[in-house]
Amino acid sequence: GAVVSQHPSWVICKSGTSVKIECRSLDFQATTMFWYRQFPKQSLMLMATSNEGSKATYEQGVEKDKFLINHASLTLSTLTVTSAHPEDSSFYICSASTGWRERGETQYFGPGTRLLVL
Amino acid sequence: GQNIDQPTEMTATEGAIVQINCTYQTSGFNGLFWYQQHAGEAPTFLSYNVLDGLEEKGRFSSFLSRSKGYSYLLLKELQMKDSASYLCAALSGGYQKVTFGIGTKLQVIP
Repeated sequence: GAVVSQHPSWVICKSGTSVKIECRSLDFQATTMFWYRQFPKQSLMLMATSNEGSKATYEQGVEKDKFLINHASLTLSTLTVTSAHPEDSSFYICSASTGWRERGETQYFGPGTRLLVL
Repeated sequence: GQNIDQPTEMTATEGAIVQINCTYQTSGFNGLFWYQQHAGEAPTFLSYNVLDGLEEKGRFSSFLSRSKGYSYLLLKELQMKDSASYLCAALSGGYQKVTFGIGTKLQVIP
């Protein structure tokens, strides 16, 4: 149980194009989804927190107009990198959470999407 | 603000025990995670501590002291496959925001 998928796992695109990454919770309903970015040899940095049916909350320094997040259902959140540039090349990871303050509750991570912008 | 510190690299011998320390300063602290991450892969959950004390799960144990803002991950009977990065992460706030440390890259040698 508690499986989170991401699609695509790899994407290579030209500078200036937009890329959409999907994050799905396959066997549970995720009230909250998180999007992280990880550059080589660095830790995961939270980009935004997404609650179903409401606007995402972005971390300081993350451009909400560049990284569009849609959480249309309890099992799907999408991250769109608009007008991607080479500096956006990174490992994007989503995680899904089932609720609040549960003892031992974890965030379930997707396998990640590696984005390379040429 | 949120601040999490852990060593960047450690080396240990196969079959030995290693302790990875983590100190944190976060507001609205709820609990402390440890994750394992192999290169190029997403993190996998190891443990979650809310209360002070030691929690044991097979070869892995995790300790938390809330008053000291301190945690450690203890790995026993090290195996070569344990070579990975170990991420300390603090859970805070009502929306379960998780702040990650930079990770400790553990190398297990024969």
